[in-house]
Amino acid sequence: DAKTTQPPSMDCAEGRAANLPCNHSTISGNEYVYWYRQIHSQGPQYIIHGLKNNETNEMASLIITEDRKSSTLILPHATLRDTAVYYCIVSSGTASKLTFGTGTRLQVTL
Amino acid sequence: GAVVSQHPSRVICKSGTSVKIECRSLDFQATTMFWYRQFPKQSLMLMATSNEGSKATYEQGVEKDKFLINHASLTLSTLTVTSAHPEDSSFYICSAKNPGTAYGYTFGSGTRLTVV
Repeated sequence: DAKTTQPPSMDCAEGRAANLPCNHSTISGNEYVYWYRQIHSQGPQYIIHGLKNNETNEMASLIITEDRKSSTLILPHATLRDTAVYYCIVSSGTASKLTFGTGTRLQVTL
Repeated sequence: GAVVSQHPSRVICKSGTSVKIECRSLDFQATTMFWYRQFPKQSLMLMATSNEGSKATYEQGVEKDKFLINHASLTLSTLTVTSAHPEDSSFYICSAKNPGTAYGYTFGSGTRLTVV
């Protein structure tokens, strides 16, 4: 599976949009981009995933660049409960395991 | 939605004893489950892939005789940490592949193992 690069930490004010970037320049054509988050001492929680089109669900939006070498997770109105470590993972889908990188620690502040 | 139940959530055991952790898929059948380990302030590290009815596939550097994995049914996988030592203290997390969902992977809530 392709490797991902994320900034180690980010801050965001409550109520503002949190934009979390991820680089995956070695992604191959059949690999999806997955985003999970982990709140302290809990199991990872699925957020969103996509192949090449932008995606939106009730939690977040995923913007994937046209060349698919990078993506951005957008939390439109961050709350304190969104404070967590966010992991961007590239995988060929349900046929493959998920390998976690170091993630981005998002701190939402008042 | 898909739920994976992991038990126990916390366990303290004495050095030299064995500990079993259970991972159950509650509302779907999981032919494949994954076991991860996470040390403080670190990311999740994949230990092994558990396939129902066959032997687990271990990642490089993971001792298969120490971390016994059994996936005897489509809804249950167990991880047994044998002859536990303090350095085995960690957060263990399981994940199940759910073909019935768009995203495919559901994680348990984790087990905090402390070996004293």
